Amino acid sequence: QKEVEQNSGPLSVPEGAIASLNCTYSDRGSQSFFWYRQYSGKSPELIMSIYSNGDKEDGRFTAQLNKASQYVSLLIRDSQPSDSATYLCAAASGGYTKLIFGAGTRLAVHP
Amino acid sequence: ETGVTQTPRHLVMGMTNKKSLKCEQHLGHNAMYWYKQSAKKPLELMFVYSLEERVENNSVPSRFSPECPNSSHLFLHLHTLQPEDSALYLCASSREVRGTDTQYFGPGTRLTVL
Repeated sequence: QKEVEQNSGPLSVPEGAIASLNCTYSDRGSQSFFWYRQYSGKSPELIMSIYSNGDKEDGRFTAQLNKASQYVSLLIRDSQPSDSATYLCAAASGGYTKLIFGAGTRLAVHP
Repeated sequence: ETGVTQTPRHLVMGMTNKKSLKCEQHLGHNAMYWYKQSAKKPLELMFVYSLEERVENNSVPSRFSPECPNSSHLFLHLHTLQPEDSALYLCASSREVRGTDTQYFGPGTRLTVL
């Protein structure tokens, strides 16, 4: 059973701090990884994708991938209350886009 | 219209009803997906279509019947559902059915089965 694990949270951080969200996956064949943000009652929206080991930065967001440890993380710098949402980690296994999602980590950024 | 649209946004139905969910993508993509999202559970992939051909049926009960008449439209026909089928049903599309292709989600249909 291919799985993606996330701490459900809530992860509570003060405004302006760095939020660190973590994810592990079980399928060593996973090649592509995605972070989605989902506000309550809304659909997931893509934050970042990462395919290679190392860091990938986009504005306040940095995704980190370590395939040897089967670990993906998302760092949010200068967290804002508008970042409060559930963050979904997903891994693509196999030759096509079959995404395995984690249950999500709820992030709460308080003023 | 841009992106991925879904109708209706909310649906309440009895267990004996038949209804359909509609998804349309305006992104020129060739792959479309149905997902189910229940409270406190990960998104569950239901069906995958590539160029109107079904490439994945993830052990979904036959009371859910997908239809993909062309690469822009996807339907999910519902009949004799159970209360545990109440969930948010999400449609997504991607350029191709490839591991590196990003999936873009529609707003979802919130389904309640009485």
